[in-house]
Amino acid sequence: ELKVEQNPLFLSMQEGKNYTIYCNYSTTSDRLYWYRQDPGKSLESLFVLLSNGAVKQEGRLMASLDTKARLSTLHITAAVHDLSATYFCAVESFNTDKLIFGTGTRLQVFP
Amino acid sequence: DAGVIQSPRHEVTEMGQEVTLRCKPISGHNSLFWYRQTMMRGLELLIYFNNNVPIDDSGMPEDRFSAKMPNASFSTLKIQPSEPRDSAVYFCASSPRTDTNTEAFFGQGTRLTVV
Repeated sequence: ELKVEQNPLFLSMQEGKNYTIYCNYSTTSDRLYWYRQDPGKSLESLFVLLSNGAVKQEGRLMASLDTKARLSTLHITAAVHDLSATYFCAVESFNTDKLIFGTGTRLQVFP
Repeated sequence: DAGVIQSPRHEVTEMGQEVTLRCKPISGHNSLFWYRQTMMRGLELLIYFNNNVPIDDSGMPEDRFSAKMPNASFSTLKIQPSEPRDSAVYFCASSPRTDTNTEAFFGQGTRLTVV
């Protein structure tokens, strides 16, 4: 059964600092997604990673995928307050459409 | 396109009552997912459909929960009878499921409170 774990669960960081969120999954997959959720809101798609070695960047966020290690990272560069949200990774179970979410990382950026 | 549309946005009901949540996926999308979100359990996949057919309902917690997708533009999630522990936010998501586009788009959710 596919399991998806994220760490850390909570992250409080100062503006201007860099940090990385990790997403590990337990079974073979080559499709991974990152989402953002603001409090009381829905989930917004950030990145779609569809192959080993895929790297996507948008603004201060960069996501990568290593399918051999079953690991994805979401790197935050020079954090700003607007990035405060909960970030989820989601992994598609191999050969199915089943999309399983990680536990989420609640990010708070303070001045 | 208006995106995935869920109704109602909020539902408060008494324990024992039947609750029906509705979802209209994005036109042309052939996969539909129902998720439940709580603080304790995070985002749980309840069931998903492909081309209107239920593929995996192993996440449905109990027989009190049922889901249908009578056509490509409508799905329901029903809880009968409802219990306080069913209180959660229920999300519907749809995906086009092509070789190059597998992204899932979420609706705004239905916040269910069972008292």
